[in-house]
Amino acid sequence: GAVVSQHPSRVICKSGTSVKIECRSLDFQATTMFWYRQFPKQSLMLMATSNEGSKATYEQGVEKDKFLINHASLTLSTLTVTSAHPEDSSFYICSASQKVRTGRAYDGTQYFGPGTRLLVL
Amino acid sequence: RKEVEQDPGPFNVPEGATVAFNCTYSNSASQSFFWYRQDCRKEPKLLMSVYSSGNEDGRFTAQLNRASQYISLLIRDSKLSDSATYLCVVNERTSGTYKYIFGTGTRLKVLA
Repeated sequence: GAVVSQHPSRVICKSGTSVKIECRSLDFQATTMFWYRQFPKQSLMLMATSNEGSKATYEQGVEKDKFLINHASLTLSTLTVTSAHPEDSSFYICSASQKVRTGRAYDGTQYFGPGTRLLVL
Repeated sequence: RKEVEQDPGPFNVPEGATVAFNCTYSNSASQSFFWYRQDCRKEPKLLMSVYSSGNEDGRFTAQLNRASQYISLLIRDSKLSDSATYLCVVNERTSGTYKYIFGTGTRLKVLA
């Protein structure tokens, strides 16, 4: 259980184009999804937290108009990198978390998608 | 001071060795703790949660010391396949939402 998919796995695009990345929880309902970015030899950096049906919360330094997040359902969140530039080239990873089935307090475990490698030329 | 600190390594150990990693965190109100494993160019995968009572899963043992604010991971009888980066993760609750804080990761290389 707790499988998260991400599509596409790899994108190469020209500078100035927009790129949309999808994140899906396949076998559970994700009340919260997270978007991370990871540059080579660095740790994951949280970009934004997305709750279903509400606006995403962006981390400091992340431009919300450049990285558009939509969390339209409990199983799908999308990240759109608008007007991508070479410095946006990175590994983008989403994660999803769910409520514990027993109904106890939410434990916050996150399950990660396989990531999307974006290369902007 | 970083919120979650780890020795980046690399730790180069022979097969069969026992290796331990530590991680310290700064927020005493942190809610839960995890070790994730990340292979090169892949996503992090949950290795184990870390409980106050400690927990063990086969060759892996995790410990939490809330008083000293550190977490440890012990790997016994290392295998070549254990080579990866091990990420210490602290889960904090902020404004009603849980958020992961990642350490920089500790690289482990198990040598034949």
